[in-house]
Amino acid sequence: EAGVAQSPRYKIIEKRQSVAFWCNPISGHATLYWYQQILGQGPKLLIQFQNNGVVDDSQLPKDRFSAERLKGVDSTLKIQPAKLEDSAVYLCASSLDGLYISNEQFFGPGTRLTVL
Amino acid sequence: GDSVTQMEGPVTLSEEAFLTINCTYTATGYPSLFWYVQYPGEGLQLLLKATKADDKGSNKGFEATYRKETTSFHLEKGSVQVSDSAVYFCALSDREGGNKLTFGTGTQLKVEL
Repeated sequence: EAGVAQSPRYKIIEKRQSVAFWCNPISGHATLYWYQQILGQGPKLLIQFQNNGVVDDSQLPKDRFSAERLKGVDSTLKIQPAKLEDSAVYLCASSLDGLYISNEQFFGPGTRLTVL
Repeated sequence: GDSVTQMEGPVTLSEEAFLTINCTYTATGYPSLFWYVQYPGEGLQLLLKATKADDKGSNKGFEATYRKETTSFHLEKGSVQVSDSAVYFCALSDREGGNKLTFGTGTQLKVEL
């Protein structure tokens, strides 16, 4: 079974530029998550989708971050404009159905963003 | 809100030594608890989990017991190998928190010959 795919793996941009990340979850997984992992910290949830609807975006900086999951499959996360503090690894994860508390989340390899 | 506290690293051990990485949590409901591992250059992988009090999760020689009375989920392994060198994350998932994973800051383990 193919895992969670993410692209690009690395991205370097200057502050105030925009950037987009793409995620393809495991086939059949209803729930998709985007996490931000700053160096030396644990991942922090940015947004959670159930199919193509948003379940939780309480920690998403909505003035600059946006995300969508059209058709309930692939997802894109965008930052516009980027700030220095957005430098981090952006992780995408998916699970069969996030409504079940012990449902395992499968993580992609992440996109490492550097903002100069 | 939910939170996870785990011991700071790096932890450096000799091969075949005993490993303990401490993890305690705060949650409003009855969370499930997880240990994830991140090997160098790879993504996060689930190592083990426990869904209710007194459950023991185990995998690859690692184990952790869900202790509700001490709100802890310490990771242990009796004899570590060089290949266990990685960053270990303790996490919880709480239905009252929307089932999202709340992670600790991670503990880097280095195992030397």
